Amino acid sequence: SYVLTQPPSVSVAPGKTARITCGGNNIGSKSVHWYQQKPGQAPVLVIYYDSDRPSGIPERFSGSNSGNTATLTISRVEAGDEADYYCQVWDSSSDPLRVFGGGTKLTVL
Amino acid sequence: QVQLVQSGAEVKKPGASVKVSCKASGYTFTSYDINWVRQATGQGLEWMGWMNPNSGNTGYAQKFQGRVTMTRNTSISTAYMELSSLRSEDTAVYYCARGSSQWEPFDYWGQGTLVTVSS
Repeated sequence: SYVLTQPPSVSVAPGKTARITCGGNNIGSKSVHWYQQKPGQAPVLVIYYDSDRPSGIPERFSGSNSGNTATLTISRVEAGDEADYYCQVWDSSSDPLRVFGGGTKLTVL
Repeated sequence: QVQLVQSGAEVKKPGASVKVSCKASGYTFTSYDINWVRQATGQGLEWMGWMNPNSGNTGYAQKFQGRVTMTRNTSISTAYMELSSLRSEDTAVYYCARGSSQWEPFDYWGQGTLVTVSS
């Protein structure tokens, strides 16, 4: 099965930039989606197809994907951004077909 | 607006089955796949499988093959996920999520259903 590796935690001060990575073999050849999950809530899509933002998601959220690493970048971090973030890909040759990273807890200091 | 509303929490004994529902509204139910994702307490997201409400076609993660069944009732725009032979490790929140095809993101999620397996 295809494996996505995320750091368990990332900490950032308010107003600074947070970068959350998602590592996978040649992940640059796949489309990566990112979800934000706050405690007790369902996940919310924040970035899709590597770098597109759904309507309603602030421009502070951006994404990139190249080589073996995809990155979710959150600029001018706010307290309300504190959450778990998950990357996800589809791999037709993998089981399961849809794979999630292990998740990263973003802490706003 | 698009909504996926799931059934309420369940408590089951080991060996039993559970059936969780997911009622869709605000869009054409048969135009988008329904996926099921679960999350054990304090753990990450785990994809279980998908169903095409139009055709009824399904695809399951190998881990759940033989234990999971995904069905639908198009007349009431509702998808179902049934998991059998429950064990304590199946205790988790189960989510339904909409995706228009295999590679598309999950753009809307249900609120989640807590299934507790305990003797």
